[in-house]
This record gives sequence, structure tokens and C-alpha cells, in this order.
Amino acid sequence: DAKTTQPTSMDCAEGRAANLPCNHSTISGNEYVYWYRQIHSQGPQYIIHGLKNNETNEMASLIITEDRKSSTLILPHATLRDTAVYYCIVRVDPGTASKLTFGTGTRLQVTL
Amino acid sequence: GAVVSQHPSWVICKSGTSVKIECRSLDFQATTMFWYRQFPKQSLMLMATSNEGSKATYEQGVEKDKFLINHASLTLSTLTVTSAHPEDSSFYICSARDPGGQNPYEQYFGPGTRLTVT
Repeated sequence: DAKTTQPTSMDCAEGRAANLPCNHSTISGNEYVYWYRQIHSQGPQYIIHGLKNNETNEMASLIITEDRKSSTLILPHATLRDTAVYYCIVRVDPGTASKLTFGTGTRLQVTL
Repeated sequence: GAVVSQHPSWVICKSGTSVKIECRSLDFQATTMFWYRQFPKQSLMLMATSNEGSKATYEQGVEKDKFLINHASLTLSTLTVTSAHPEDSSFYICSARDPGGQNPYEQYFGPGTRLTVT
């Protein structure tokens, strides 16, 4: 699976949008971009995933660049409960039941 | 749906003893479960993949005789840390796939078990 690069940490004011970037310049055509988050001392939580089109669900939006070498996870109105480590993971078609490989992630701190 | 639980949520044991951690899928049958370990301020590292009714597949560097995995039913996998030592102190997290769910290849994570070996 392709390697990802994320900033170590970011801050965001409550109520503002949190934009978390991820670089995956070696991504191949059959690899998806996944985002998980891990609140302190809890198990990871799935957020969203996409292949090449932008995706949106009740938690977040995922914007993937046209060349697919980077993506941005957007939390439209961050709250204190969104403080967590966010992991960007690239993996092959989930239909092949591939493993999840977690990197170091971005520690997002949402402040008042 | 797709809820995974772990028991216990935390455990303290003495060096040399064994400790068992349970991972259960509460509202679905999980043919595949995964065990991860996470040291403080580090990321999750996959230890092994557990398939119901067969032997677990361990990642490179993980001692299968030390970390015994049993997946005897479709809703329960157990991880036993044998002869635990202080360096085994960590946060152990399991996940499971819901093959009958909307996203059959997604992993749903348990809340984790914090093991402290004294």
C-alpha cells in the first residue's frame, strides 16, 4: 500500500472548518483513500473513504485532487469532541480485504 | 450496528503471569478479526489476523507463542498474552469485519484494552 504523509499536529477553533491534508504521491490506480480517527484511549473510528471523486457523509467531506496525489479531510464545523488523531490511509480496493496500515496521523486539537 | 466490545477495558498483572483479552462482535458475526497493539504516543501496529475456525496469521516480528489468538466462534476472538513482561504493557485493540453488513470489508474497532504489567 502507498505511503502517506500528514502534518504532525493542527489546531482549529471550535465552530470553524478543520482541513486536514494528506499526501499520497505514490498512490496507484486501484488504491482508495481512507480516513479514520482515534479519540484518546479509544479504538479508531471510520470517517470516510474515496477513490477519485469527492465524497461527503454526515461526519466529513473528502476532497481528492485530480491527480490523486493528495487529499483533504474537511470537518465543516469542528467541535471539542473532534479533538483526536486523524489517520489517512491508502489501501487497495477494499473488496480484496486488504489490511489497514496506520501511520502517525495528525493530532487535531479543537479549542474554544 | 457493527459494534465491537472488548473485555476487560484495563488490566494490571504481575510479570510472568498470563492475561486474556476478549473481543466480541455484539450485533454481527465476524469471520475475521484483527488484533493491534499501540504503545504510548505511537500508532497502531497490526499484530495478527484471526479467522474463525482456523489459525491466526501473525505479522512479522510478532511471537505467536507469546500472543495466543483463538477465534472459536463467529462473535468472539481472544488474545492471551503469555508470561507477560513490563515491555508488553500497551493498549491492545481489536477490530472485526461485518461480512453481512453494508461495508463487508470495513473494520469496526473495539474500545481497546490497556494492559499494565508490573
